[in-house]
Amino acid sequence: KQEVTQIPAALSVPEGENLVLNCSFTDSAIYNLQWFRQDPGKGLTSLLLIQSSQREQTSGRLNASLDKSSGRSTLYIAASQPGDSATYLCAVRSGYSSASKIIFGSGTRLSIRP
Amino acid sequence: NAGVTQTPKFRVLKTGQSMTLLCAQDMNHEYMYWYRQDPGMGLRLIHYSVGEGTTAKGEVPDGYNVSRLKKQNFLLGLESAAPSQTSVYFCASSYASDLAKNIQYFGAGTRLSVL
Repeated sequence: KQEVTQIPAALSVPEGENLVLNCSFTDSAIYNLQWFRQDPGKGLTSLLLIQSSQREQTSGRLNASLDKSSGRSTLYIAASQPGDSATYLCAVRSGYSSASKIIFGSGTRLSIRP
Repeated sequence: NAGVTQTPKFRVLKTGQSMTLLCAQDMNHEYMYWYRQDPGMGLRLIHYSVGEGTTAKGEVPDGYNVSRLKKQNFLLGLESAAPSQTSVYFCASSYASDLAKNIQYFGAGTRLSVL
C-alpha cells in the first residue's frame, strides 16, 4: 500500500532564503508525482507535475525533483517571498496508469517571515 | 473561466440526514474525483470516475455514493450523515491522457458539518 509522507509538518523561514520541502513515498511504482499549493480555506493549485520517467521539472522559482529508487521528491523554492506562505502538498499517482489512484501527503505548512 | 465548480460551499446537517454534493467541470475532462480533507491527514480519495457512467472506490468510500450520469458532473451522496463525515470535501478533474495533461484541477471545496 502506497504511503506518502511530508516532513516537517510546518516550516518557518525568513524572506529571501532558499528552501527545500520533502516528500517521500513507500512504493516506487508510480505513474507521476504532483506538487500542489493550498492557501487557507481554498482549493488546491497545481504547481508542478513530474512523470515517472523524469528527474525534475521547473517553473519560475520552483524546481521539483524525483528520485523513484529512493522514494523521494523535493520541491525547491528559490528566494522565498511572503506570498509563498501556504501549505504545500505532494501527491503520488501509484501504478502504471493515468487512471491509477492518487495518494496525498499531509502537507507542509510554510510560513515566510518578512 | 469556471473550471471546477462545487456546490454548496457550506452545509450543516443533522446526524441521519442525507445530501448530495455537486461537482461540475467545463474542461471536458474524462476523470473526476472526490476527496475529503481532515486536519493533519492530507486529502483522501473517496470515489473517482474515469468516464461517463463509470465510478470506482477510492481509499475511504464507506458511507458515500457517487454518480456520473453526465461527463461534466460528478455527484457525491451521503445517505445517512454521521459526525465522522464532518470534513472539507474537494472535487477535482483531469484529462485521461498522458503527460502533463494528467494534472488535476480542484474546486474550492465544500465545508460540511454533521451535528
